[in-house]
Amino acid sequence: QKEVEQDPGPLSVPEGAIVSLNCTYSNSAFQYFMWYRQYSRKGPELLMYTYSSGNKEDGRFTAQVDKSSKYISLFIRDSQPSDSATYLCALTGAAGNKLTFGGGTRVLVKP
Amino acid sequence: NAGVTQTPKFQVLKTGQSMTLQCAQDMNHNSMYWYRQDPGMGLRLIYYSASEGTTDKGEVPNGYNVSRLNKREFSLRLESAAPSQTSVYFCASSEQNPSGGGTRYTIYFGEGSWLTVV
Repeated sequence: QKEVEQDPGPLSVPEGAIVSLNCTYSNSAFQYFMWYRQYSRKGPELLMYTYSSGNKEDGRFTAQVDKSSKYISLFIRDSQPSDSATYLCALTGAAGNKLTFGGGTRVLVKP
Repeated sequence: NAGVTQTPKFQVLKTGQSMTLQCAQDMNHNSMYWYRQDPGMGLRLIYYSASEGTTDKGEVPNGYNVSRLNKREFSLRLESAAPSQTSVYFCASSEQNPSGGGTRYTIYFGEGSWLTVV
């Protein structure tokens, strides 16, 4: 069993819809939770970062962490075609120097 | 600022050949990493270097060697390439922000190197 599970998609939504992404994990030592966005043939770039249970909002993006359920989510409101990308969750422990990635979910936002 | 620069971007190797992927960062980061990305597998850590002069194995180190040449440069070498090493390779760097904050452990990635071993 992988330490971090993420549905590969693709997830296809119409423009303006809410995109809902999630990851589950098994290692309770994970303390920091990140979401990366990766466009085709590019490197991942950090989108959101949280370190506690609860919600964090940044513009159209909301990250949720439920440590008791070992479940993290990313919501994208008012989705745009430019949001079409692969979204990877990434988790790390207290040292923070090694990330464990989910497999990524490909998102397609259709105009 | 170029960020993280890696070369070459594309390479085709024959089984048994050797090659080195080069990586340099201009952000004065202490830590550098090499990941590989395969379909459905996400990014897996090959080796990392927490600081100049140190290197450690990651999740999938077999078949690879690394050199932290100086603070800026971290190279990945395939001594005898195998088809199983066909992948996209990403170099990355990070600096722990001692003051904390939302990007305390931000890792910055390069653009990737597409390697095919035939």
